[in-house]
Amino acid sequence: AQSVSQHNHHVILSEAASLELGCNYSYGGTVNLFWYVQYPGQHLQLLLKYFSGDPLVKGIKGFEAEFIKSKFSFNLRKPSVQWSDTAEYFCAVNGGTDSWGKLQFGAGTQVVVTP
Amino acid sequence: EAGVAQSPRYKIIEKRQSVAFWCNPISGHATLYWYQQILGQGPKLLIQFQNNGVVDDSQLPKDRFSAERLKGVDSTLKIQPAKLEDSAVYLCASSLDQSPGRYFGPGTRLTVT
Repeated sequence: AQSVSQHNHHVILSEAASLELGCNYSYGGTVNLFWYVQYPGQHLQLLLKYFSGDPLVKGIKGFEAEFIKSKFSFNLRKPSVQWSDTAEYFCAVNGGTDSWGKLQFGAGTQVVVTP
Repeated sequence: EAGVAQSPRYKIIEKRQSVAFWCNPISGHATLYWYQQILGQGPKLLIQFQNNGVVDDSQLPKDRFSAERLKGVDSTLKIQPAKLEDSAVYLCASSLDQSPGRYFGPGTRLTVT
């Protein structure tokens, strides 16, 4: 079965530290990849997406993600986090035998940034 | 641009009772989705509408869950009867077409006691 795995359920780090969240998927073939973020008390929001082209994708708020096809990975990074980056982060994948509109989400990673 | 609206925001019911959730998507968005997000998990697609037709309801527990989008705009998701394991946040999302990128509403947090 197709699945999306996020390696860390909880991450705690200090302001200015670097962040990397892992995401792996089990789909074969063409995939569309997404990172969503949910700030406390807010809606799920799209952080960045990859459909094709340059595998290094820039998103909002200084986030970026790298698609490595050979590793079935789409890891999220930010060089220097801020307290306002405290949120839950979800990796999502569309592809394989999914209908075009179907998104499979990972379980999420809760990130806490301490001042 | 107004976002996806959902109501109610919170609902507490007893098991075996019925409940309904309402969603109003972003104006002009033809595709509407209902997701279930259980605590500690990512959202799981329950049903996808394209206008008022169902595109994918493969993960909808049809013995107790139903959804409709009669005029291709608003949608209602119903659970009848509810079980304890239905406790979750129910998210509505919409998109212009069937592109995987979409806009999410604030969700309805359901607690079944």
